[in-house]
Amino acid sequence: DIVMTQTPSSQAVSAGEKVTMSCKSSQSLLYSENKKNYLAWYQQKPGQSPKLLISWASTRESGVPDRFIGSGSGTDFTLTISSVQAEDLAVYYCEQYYDTPPTFGGGTKLELK
Amino acid sequence: EVQLVESGGGLVQPGRSMKLSCAASGFTFSDYYMAWVRQAPKKGLEWVASISYEGSSTYYGDSVKGRFTISRDNAKSTLYLQMNSLRSEDTATYYCARHFSGSTTVVTLFDYWGQGVMVTVSS
Repeated sequence: DIVMTQTPSSQAVSAGEKVTMSCKSSQSLLYSENKKNYLAWYQQKPGQSPKLLISWASTRESGVPDRFIGSGSGTDFTLTISSVQAEDLAVYYCEQYYDTPPTFGGGTKLELK
Repeated sequence: EVQLVESGGGLVQPGRSMKLSCAASGFTFSDYYMAWVRQAPKKGLEWVASISYEGSSTYYGDSVKGRFTISRDNAKSTLYLQMNSLRSEDTATYYCARHFSGSTTVVTLFDYWGQGVMVTVSS
């Protein structure tokens, strides 16, 4: 199985701050035939189900604010929140869907400083 | 509006069975692969199983293979998960999720999730 490693596991932030979090996979998620990275980011707020934010490493889902930016390729990926808002406090998970079984990282929890 | 509503969870003893349901609305159910994903208390996410459009193909995670069965009834727009020989490590919130469909091939990317149903396996 592909192992997904997220760092940091938690991060204390202030509103308006720029935040970056990392996701690394144990093997490349770049599919050579279509040049796409099979990597997604989900947001899970307390008491809620996960919400898909970004697919294909950098494609924002409809309705997702443009302060959420996904980047990276191969085995190294980053989720950036350009200016954190209070409503962004949540746990963020990356997921690889390059291979079966799909696997998730352990999550990065954003907390208020 | 896409809605996925799970039901059927609760407390069950080790070794017993339980069946979860997920009622779908707001989209053409038979046009999508569907899945179950679980989350143990205070833990991360684990894919459990997926099923093809008509139910002819099913896929399982190693931890549930041989014990769990995913199925669907397209006439009722409902997804099921039959869980047998339950273990304490199956204790989790179980989410029904819809596979993303905007790709030329089926991918295990989940664009909508239900609110989840809690299953507790304990004596």
